Amino acid sequence: KQEVTQIPAALSVPEGENLVLNCSFTDSAIYNLQWFRQDPGKGLTSLLLIQSSQREQTSGRLNASLDKSSGRSTLYIAASQPGDSATYLCAVEPNDYKLSFGAGTTVTVRA
Amino acid sequence: DTAVSQTPKYLVTQMGNDKSIKCEQNLGHDTMYWYKQDSKKFLKIMFSYNNKELIINETVPNRFSPKSPDKAHLNLHINSLELGDSAVYFCASSQETHGEAEAFFGQGTRLTVV
Repeated sequence: KQEVTQIPAALSVPEGENLVLNCSFTDSAIYNLQWFRQDPGKGLTSLLLIQSSQREQTSGRLNASLDKSSGRSTLYIAASQPGDSATYLCAVEPNDYKLSFGAGTTVTVRA
Repeated sequence: DTAVSQTPKYLVTQMGNDKSIKCEQNLGHDTMYWYKQDSKKFLKIMFSYNNKELIINETVPNRFSPKSPDKAHLNLHINSLELGDSAVYFCASSQETHGEAEAFFGQGTRLTVV
């Protein structure tokens, strides 16, 4: 059974600092890994999708890496802004149609 | 223009009632899902339909019954609601193909059973 862990559970940084969010998963047989953002009372917004054959994906200030063999992914957010405050969820898709989610990292960027 | 839309956004109801949550996607995806987010923020899959056929049915009480009238809709009907059913329910959709299956989520339905 796939288990996804996200560390830390919460993170508070001053504006402008870079953010590093970690995700680990127990079964490396995955098709892809996806990072989401969840704002309070709102749905999940897909940020980046890394396919199993890729090692990283970039979108603007966001960069996510994937190391399948060690079961790890890291989401980097450069030059954080207060608008980046949210909960970030990591999810992996194994060889079925399910996504297995971590519990998320709640980020607070202080102005 | 919303890709995956759920209604209602909030639902407060008494124990024992029957309620439905509707979900529609306009992305042309073949696969739709229902996820439950509990108080600890874990999201867990409940059901998945591919082209109107049930392909995933996790260990969910049979009081929960998904209905897919067509591949753009996946509704969730809940009978005899219990306090423990209180949670946020998310609908999602994705293309069928693995590896390219970016999932798109609705905004969630916060269900409160009193």
